[in-house]
Amino acid sequence: DIVMTQSPDSLAVSLGERATINCKSSQTVFYNSNNKNYLGWYQQKPGQPPKLLIYWASTREFGVPDRFSGSGSGTDFTLTISSLQAEDVAVYYCQQYYSSPYSFGQGTKLEIK
Amino acid sequence: QVHLQQWGAGLLKPSETLSLTCTFSNGSFSGDYWSWIRQPPGKGLEWIGEIKHSGSTSYNPSLKSRITISVDTSKKYLSLKLSSVTAADTAVYYCARRWPWFEPWGQGTLVTVSS
Repeated sequence: DIVMTQSPDSLAVSLGERATINCKSSQTVFYNSNNKNYLGWYQQKPGQPPKLLIYWASTREFGVPDRFSGSGSGTDFTLTISSLQAEDVAVYYCQQYYSSPYSFGQGTKLEIK
Repeated sequence: QVHLQQWGAGLLKPSETLSLTCTFSNGSFSGDYWSWIRQPPGKGLEWIGEIKHSGSTSYNPSLKSRITISVDTSKKYLSLKLSSVTAADTAVYYCARRWPWFEPWGQGTLVTVSS
């Protein structure tokens, strides 16, 4: 089974500043056959289901603001929010869809400093 | 745009069977995988299992002995049954389409197991 580990567990950033969340998988989630990383990022606000932000590690879902970006390959990935807005306060999860059982990171709680 | 709606009993006693249903609109059932995911209060997300429209299933080994996921393609219904529940099964349960990431999600159903 692939274990996903995020860091940090919580993060406080000032409005307008950059927020960076890291995600590491216990084994590669990169498929050589199609040159894709099977990694997604989700945002979850209280009382709501998770919302997909990023798939294939770096492709923004339709409608997601361009201040959100994803990077990385293989086992190490990063979600970056370039300029934090108040509405970005949430818990963020990475998730691998490379192999079953599909697993999530433990979550990173993002707050305003 | 595909929309998922789910429902089911929210309060169970230990040893009972959890039963949830999810239906979707504005889309086709075929070609994708349909999953159940749960989230204990204040905790992270756990994939429970999934089914393809053909009926083939894949379950999380940690829950496999207690799970049944089924589909009624004519009614566009997805169902989850989890037997012999305990307090550790208290969680918000979500249905979601996997293609191969999870999107969209149902609104979630809080299931509490308490004597």
